[in-house]
Amino acid sequence: NAGVTQTPKFQVLKTGQSMTLQCAQDMNHEYMSWYRQDPGMGLRLIHYSVGAGITDQGEVPNGYNVSRSTTEDFPLRLLSAAPSQTSVYFCASRGLAVSSYEQYFGPGTRLTVT
Amino acid sequence: DAKTTQPPSMDCAEGRAANLPCNHSTISGNEYVYWYRQIHSQGPQYIIHGLKNNETNEMASLIITEDRKSSTLILPHATLRDTAVYYCIVRVGGSNYKLTFGKGTLLTVNP
Repeated sequence: NAGVTQTPKFQVLKTGQSMTLQCAQDMNHEYMSWYRQDPGMGLRLIHYSVGAGITDQGEVPNGYNVSRSTTEDFPLRLLSAAPSQTSVYFCASRGLAVSSYEQYFGPGTRLTVT
Repeated sequence: DAKTTQPPSMDCAEGRAANLPCNHSTISGNEYVYWYRQIHSQGPQYIIHGLKNNETNEMASLIITEDRKSSTLILPHATLRDTAVYYCIVRVGGSNYKLTFGKGTLLTVNP
């Protein structure tokens, strides 16, 4: 299994540009989520999904859109990038069974908005 | 979910046990204690979790006090590769939970 994969690894955007961060998992996990991590801070939840067609907002959703058309993929869209969105973005997945206690994280996408 | 308090940083000598404390004095009966760690620039990694009883796996041991208001993660023989930020997280049980990360403890293992 590849686990959770994220692309790109690095990205530089100009203010106002749009882009999509890709996340995919091959573990058939129902639950997927996006976090951002600013320097010296813990992770903050942006959006999450409990299955295809179902998404919900996390702690810091403003400026980000998500959709979940398949179990495997959970892209994060920035419609109009702002410098405040400069951060490291992590995607994560896990099963929904009560016994699925471990959340698996991807390697991260490092985004700089100038 | 209950709030947790961890020291911002700790040091440990290589080969010695690393004991990382976590205070969760407002924990409720159905909340689990989870530990994750994040090695520099990587995504967080699950270590261990528990409800009431002490737990051990191949990575670490988790000791939860009888009143459940605090816990200690023990890395029995720390190596340089254990240098990381360690997060103690408390969350309710059930399938539809969200993890809330604080700032964690930066553990530095010294040669």
